[in-house]
Amino acid sequence: GAVVSQHPSRVICKSGTSVKIECRSLDFQATTMFWYRQFPKQSLMLMATSNEGSKATYEQGVEKDKFLINHASLTLSTLTVTSAHPEDSSFYICSASEDTYEQYFGPGTRLTVT
Amino acid sequence: AQSVTQPDIHITVSEGASLELRCNYSYGATPYLFWYVQSPGQGLQLLLKYFSGDTLVQGIKGFEAEFKRSQSSFNLRKPSVHWSDAAEYFCAVVPDYKLSFGAGTTVTVRA
Repeated sequence: GAVVSQHPSRVICKSGTSVKIECRSLDFQATTMFWYRQFPKQSLMLMATSNEGSKATYEQGVEKDKFLINHASLTLSTLTVTSAHPEDSSFYICSASEDTYEQYFGPGTRLTVT
Repeated sequence: AQSVTQPDIHITVSEGASLELRCNYSYGATPYLFWYVQSPGQGLQLLLKYFSGDTLVQGIKGFEAEFKRSQSSFNLRKPSVHWSDAAEYFCAVVPDYKLSFGAGTTVTVRA
């Protein structure tokens, strides 16, 4: 149980375009979903927290207009990177939680902006 | 400042040898504590967690961790390492509702 999927696993896009990453909880209802960014050889950095039906809460320094997060249902959250630039290239990981203390992680999405 | 520290950036261990990964935290109260493992290009898998109760916690893949309040530590151990244990290991705490990660320890297993 407690499986979280992400789609796509890898995406390459051109500079200036937008890309959407989906995060789904497959066998449970996620009241809270989290989005992380991970640079090579580094730890995970929390970008934002989203609750179903509410606006996402962004961490300090994360541009909310650049990283649009939608949590439309209890099983789906999306992260849209708008007007992507090469510096947005990274590994994006989502997690989902039923009770906010334990998080189940997706397999991650490798974004490359050319 | 509140933080999670993993003092060892990289550990190399021989297959069959024991492994211990250190984790220290600095928070006012005892947070919820986790250890995750990440293989290259993959997401995180939960190895074990501590919320309360018995301070020696058993996890998956033969791992265990011991919570020591006096030392603000939550060290991860495995008695006999397998080549498949080569990965990145993250200690994490939940002082409120958000996970705070340590910097990670890379484990290399030599034959």
